[in-house]
Amino acid sequence: GNSVTQMEGPVTLSEEAFLTINCTYTATGYPSLFWYVQYPGEGLQLLLKATKADDKGSNKGFEATYRKETTSFHLEKGSVQVSDSAVYFCALSELMNTGFQKLVFGTGTRLLVSP
Amino acid sequence: ETGVTQSPTHLIKTRGQQVTLRCSSQSGHNTVSWYQQALGQGPQFIFQYYREEENGRGNFPPRFSGLQFPNYSSELNVNALELDDSALYLCASSPGANQGNEQFFGPGTRLTVL
Repeated sequence: GNSVTQMEGPVTLSEEAFLTINCTYTATGYPSLFWYVQYPGEGLQLLLKATKADDKGSNKGFEATYRKETTSFHLEKGSVQVSDSAVYFCALSELMNTGFQKLVFGTGTRLLVSP
Repeated sequence: ETGVTQSPTHLIKTRGQQVTLRCSSQSGHNTVSWYQQALGQGPQFIFQYYREEENGRGNFPPRFSGLQFPNYSSELNVNALELDDSALYLCASSPGANQGNEQFFGPGTRLTVL
């Protein structure tokens, strides 16, 4: 089946540092790709998405590019803030045999940003 | 616009008991998916409901069952609870079940089984 692999955390950075969280996937076909963020004690919020190869998703300074040739969707941010501390999940959409989609998630990467 | 809501927030049960978790989908959304998130793990797909019918199911035993109501709200029922059922249960709604449709998540219900 389809799967998502993320770099293990925690990732510890100082404020204003550059962030990269690696994500690679295994999938049949061409899934849509997502990054979700989970703040402490909360549910998941969609951070950004890309629906086809070479698409770049972006939001709140975060970016990720859908790379079909390397099956990757790495998350980047040029300058992190303390408020970015959270767990980040990479996910893909998998088409079920019913014709509908479900999300397949990676295990998550915890980001800790210190002042 | 009201987002996805879930109740209760927290729940403590003992092994062998049964539990019902509830989810209200976002206005205008007809599809609800349920996910289980064990501690330190990513969410795992349990099942999905579209217009009151189960649409797809993940690798969960039959003691995990669900319902969707005419107003598109949903319930997740778990019978014969086991210790490993302790997790955060997330509900997500979407305006349709097609490829690329964003799923909007609720805050989750944290279930502890003792």
